[in-house]
Amino acid sequence: EAEVAQSPRYKITEKSQAVAFWCDPISGHATLYWYRQILGQGPELLVQFQDESVVDDSQLPKDRFSAERLKGVDSTLKIQPAELGDSAMYLCASSAGLFDGSYEQYFGPGTRLTVT
Amino acid sequence: AQSVTQLDSQVPVFEEAPVELRCNYSSSVSVYLFWYVQYPNQGLQLLLKYLSGSTLVKGINGFEAEFNKSQTSFHLRKPSVHISDTAEYFCAVSDIDTDKLIFGTGTRLQVFP
Repeated sequence: EAEVAQSPRYKITEKSQAVAFWCDPISGHATLYWYRQILGQGPELLVQFQDESVVDDSQLPKDRFSAERLKGVDSTLKIQPAELGDSAMYLCASSAGLFDGSYEQYFGPGTRLTVT
Repeated sequence: AQSVTQLDSQVPVFEEAPVELRCNYSSSVSVYLFWYVQYPNQGLQLLLKYLSGSTLVKGINGFEAEFNKSQTSFHLRKPSVHISDTAEYFCAVSDIDTDKLIFGTGTRLQVFP
């Protein structure tokens, strides 16, 4: 069964350092999402891509966060500089979008970020 | 804008007992509703979804949920839980014109032997 891949699974970094996360969606999925999940809370959408274009980044802290999906396949989320409050689980998800009628998002295992 | 309220942050229950996890939503437009499960240090897995049709929706692992438009609720139920059902459960909503999910804060289901 196809899965969403993410790496690394765990990352510990010092504040003010740069950190990057990678996501490879299910093949053929045009829509890719990055979520942040703070401990004890539900996931919150950071950015949504349709192919290589950003369709929603309203909750992305653009002064320190950036995301790209250059060829419309895999994606990278970067934080520079990292702050203590960025400690969270970063989840990637993909879907076929509105086109297949399923409205189902498939999630990867996540990257647990700890900023010290 | 939509919002989701999960009324119970934790639900302890003994094995083989029934369970209900409550979810209420707020929206000015028609919505789709979802329940996801998250096991420790893992991503989310879809349990079930309501898009249209029958208001009683059956999902994986023996779970079901009922959409109640008048009560704006989508409660999740299982008639007999197992130890392996111990996990975090998230209710989510999206409006029918987008696929953007708004999640609740989650309910921790703890099943005891």
